[in-house]
Amino acid sequence: DTGVSQNPRHKITKRGQNVTFRCDPISEHNRLYWYRQTLGQGPEFLTYFQNEAQLEKSRLLSDRFSAERPKGSFSTLEIQRTEQGDSAMYLCASSPAGFIEQYFGPGTRLTVT
Amino acid sequence: ELKVEQNPLFLSMQEGKNYTIYCNYSTTSDRLYWYRQDPGKSLESLFVLLSNGAVKQEGRLMASLDTKARLSTLHITAAVHDLSATYFCAVDRGGADGLTFGKGTHLIIQP
Repeated sequence: DTGVSQNPRHKITKRGQNVTFRCDPISEHNRLYWYRQTLGQGPEFLTYFQNEAQLEKSRLLSDRFSAERPKGSFSTLEIQRTEQGDSAMYLCASSPAGFIEQYFGPGTRLTVT
Repeated sequence: ELKVEQNPLFLSMQEGKNYTIYCNYSTTSDRLYWYRQDPGKSLESLFVLLSNGAVKQEGRLMASLDTKARLSTLHITAAVHDLSATYFCAVDRGGADGLTFGKGTHLIIQP
């Protein structure tokens, strides 16, 4: 068990570009969560998957944000037409069925210039 | 809307002292979590509190939950420098909602 992994760890992009982040949950964890954390704040919930089904996406920040988990394993979070306000740490967490504790990955730090 | 408030948001203390961080939340929940975050790092789970009156201890940290008062506390005993970090509490409403976090308590323990 190597824990939740996220790639890339750091991403610098220019305003208006699209970016995609990947999250690999702990093996056999069927629940996967995405959060955003801005400087000096607690993480903010974005979206939730149970297996490949996206059961909550109303908290995605705008229609520029989308997430997928096509085979119920890894997940991707895409931000289109990035803005400077998107600069933040994007965290992924996973948990197994019937277990409530979430295990967080190391995060992807996005800087939009 | 669920709101989670922590206080204090910033705390500077000396080694050897005791202190308590408070976490209040606005709606009914039986699940309360404490996490630690070091600068530039991800979140490390400290405690999961699942019922009224739950108390858990690990080393110099002890967490408790009062669901009737919608209050959790994280008590630090005889603080040491290595405990310097930001501490978050989070509440889980269950279902498809993720965790709702407080703003965090930035703790500095000075030798």
